[in-house]
Amino acid sequence: EPEVTQTPSHQVTQMGQEVILRCVPISNHLYFYWYRQILGQKVEFLVSFYNNEISEKSEIFDDQFSVERPDGSNFTLKIRSTKLEDSAMYFCASSVLAGENEQFFGPGTRLTVL
Amino acid sequence: DAKTTQPNSMESNEEEPVHLPCNHSTISGTDYIHWYRQLPSQGPEYVIHGLTSNVNNRMASLAIAEDRKSSTLILHRATLRDAAVYYCILELSNFGNEKLTFGTGTRLTIIP
Repeated sequence: EPEVTQTPSHQVTQMGQEVILRCVPISNHLYFYWYRQILGQKVEFLVSFYNNEISEKSEIFDDQFSVERPDGSNFTLKIRSTKLEDSAMYFCASSVLAGENEQFFGPGTRLTVL
Repeated sequence: DAKTTQPNSMESNEEEPVHLPCNHSTISGTDYIHWYRQLPSQGPEYVIHGLTSNVNNRMASLAIAEDRKSSTLILHRATLRDAAVYYCILELSNFGNEKLTFGTGTRLTIIP
């Protein structure tokens, strides 16, 4: 069964460093998303991406964040200068069409900022 | 975004049916009712969704009230693997983006 994959599974970084979280969505999907979940809290939407551009972003997704689909398979989330409060699980998701269809989530990357 | 209300936690015995309620009194006519679940240390997983009619799939059934102000996710025979946080989410059917707004969900504990 097709699945969304994410690498690395765990990333440890120093405050102020740049990190890139990588995702490989399901191959025929058109919509891509990033969510995050701070330990013990709700899953929060960060950004959605369609047709090589951001279609919606939340207030969390400020200038420190960026997304890119550098080739036909990868979808990345970059955090330019990490803060302690960026420590969280980051989930990538993908879907075929907006509206009715389900989103498929990856297993997540645990980001720890020291 | 229209809000949903779910109990914080529920318990059920293994191999018994589980009914997980969700209230969404401010639902709009175009909102779909989606259920996702999150198993421990995993990403969310789609369970089922519906608009007006009751729905069944291999994982669960979704019973939607006639006025659509509430719905119930039914697990027909709970297993230990069904222990998870279950989220009831309303989603607009507009084409273009599909942001999921997660609440705190219902933490389901299965008792062996």
